[in-house]
Amino acid sequence: DIVMTQTPLSSPVTLGQPASISCSSSQSLVHSDGNTYLSWLQQRPGQPPRLLIYKISNRFSGVPDRFSGSGAGTDFTLKISRVEAEDVGVYYCMQGTQLPRTFGQGTKLEIK
Amino acid sequence: EVQLLESGGGLVQPGGSLRLSCAASGFIFSNYAMTWVRQAPGKGLEWVSLISGSGGRSNYADSAKGRFTISRDNSKNTLYLQMNSLRAEDTAVYYCAKAPNSAYDTYLDYWGQGTLVTVSS
Repeated sequence: DIVMTQTPLSSPVTLGQPASISCSSSQSLVHSDGNTYLSWLQQRPGQPPRLLIYKISNRFSGVPDRFSGSGAGTDFTLKISRVEAEDVGVYYCMQGTQLPRTFGQGTKLEIK
Repeated sequence: EVQLLESGGGLVQPGGSLRLSCAASGFIFSNYAMTWVRQAPGKGLEWVSLISGSGGRSNYADSAKGRFTISRDNSKNTLYLQMNSLRAEDTAVYYCAKAPNSAYDTYLDYWGQGTLVTVSS
């Protein structure tokens, strides 16, 4: 199975400041079809997960443009340009290249 | 608007069975693969099972193989997860989620609210 490792596991951030979360995979996430199926999910307290980013850098419908994704191969990053109060929650990366699908451990974003 | 509504969770004894349902609306259900993901209390996300849009192909996590069965009724726009031989470690919120195409859940674009399964004597 592909192991997904996120850092940091906790990220205290000041409102209005940027935040960054890293995700690395134990194997390349480049699929045989040429796509890289790395996505980012946000889970606010008491809520189900919500898709933010798919295929490394594509923002899903309705996701604010302060969220951006980047990376390639085995190393990926989610960036929030200016953190807002509603961004508090846990962020997960997920690989969709190989079965079984696997998730990172989650990074808890909290406000300082 | 895409909506996914899980039901069927509850308290069950170890060794017991439960069937979860996920009622889908707002999209052509048979055109999309569907997935179950679970989350133990205070823990992260764990992929459980995937079924293709036609229902002809399914895949399972090792933790689910031989005990869980995923199925779908496209005439009823409903996804199911039959869970047998339940263990304490199966205690979790179970989410159904929609894939972006009919074959594989390369990412999960819509999620339900989840249903809690508690396995305890």
